[in-house]
Amino acid sequence: QLHESGPGLVKPSETLSLTCTVSGDSITGYYWTWIRQPAGKGLEWIGRIYITGSTYYNPSLRSRVTMSMDTSKNQLSLKLTSVTAADTAVYYCATFRNNAFDIWGQGTMVSVSS
Amino acid sequence: DIQLTQSPASLSASVGDSVTITCRASQSVARFLNWYQQKPGEAPKLLIYAASSLGNGVPSRFSGRGSGTDFTLTINSLQPEDFATYYCQQSNSAPDTFGQGTRLEIK
Repeated sequence: QLHESGPGLVKPSETLSLTCTVSGDSITGYYWTWIRQPAGKGLEWIGRIYITGSTYYNPSLRSRVTMSMDTSKNQLSLKLTSVTAADTAVYYCATFRNNAFDIWGQGTMVSVSS
Repeated sequence: DIQLTQSPASLSASVGDSVTITCRASQSVARFLNWYQQKPGEAPKLLIYAASSLGNGVPSRFSGRGSGTDFTLTINSLQPEDFATYYCQQSNSAPDTFGQGTRLEIK
């Protein structure tokens, strides 16, 4: 199971920080992905990370995104800097296996507002 | 980035009907094309991966076909729980991209 968590509200220009806690499996050995979805809109791939530390970010967000893993806590993290209202969305973490996102968390809503 | 165009954007159908949703890629994605189902307030669920392989626990009334740039998702004998939004997604070339979605509604 995957469970995303983080502050539901972030102020403009600040940094959004989210955690994805993985239970029932180790985060080692898989690629992990972050995806977001603004309300009523489609899905946007943010990027993925592998246990080796390799990361692949969406070019549209690359300058503001950092993904990391904490194997001791079996957690993933996402940081997005200099947020604006356009970053308001539900954020999902998911496994990436067989070149597909096969297990998803329930998502966490993040609103950017002063 | 590879663009994925789904058609139709929405469709209405009745329980028991069969429907087909199309996904066209702006360039070849080989068979790295996946389909997801999303219901309101829920995370997407993987239905089909690698163009035609059924996801874990997905009923056999769902099927996928295609390669290169043209793909289809077919749902046979629609059930009430199938009314949802469907997305295609490619992982052939980063950044991974999604289609805009197809909303399947009850007629």
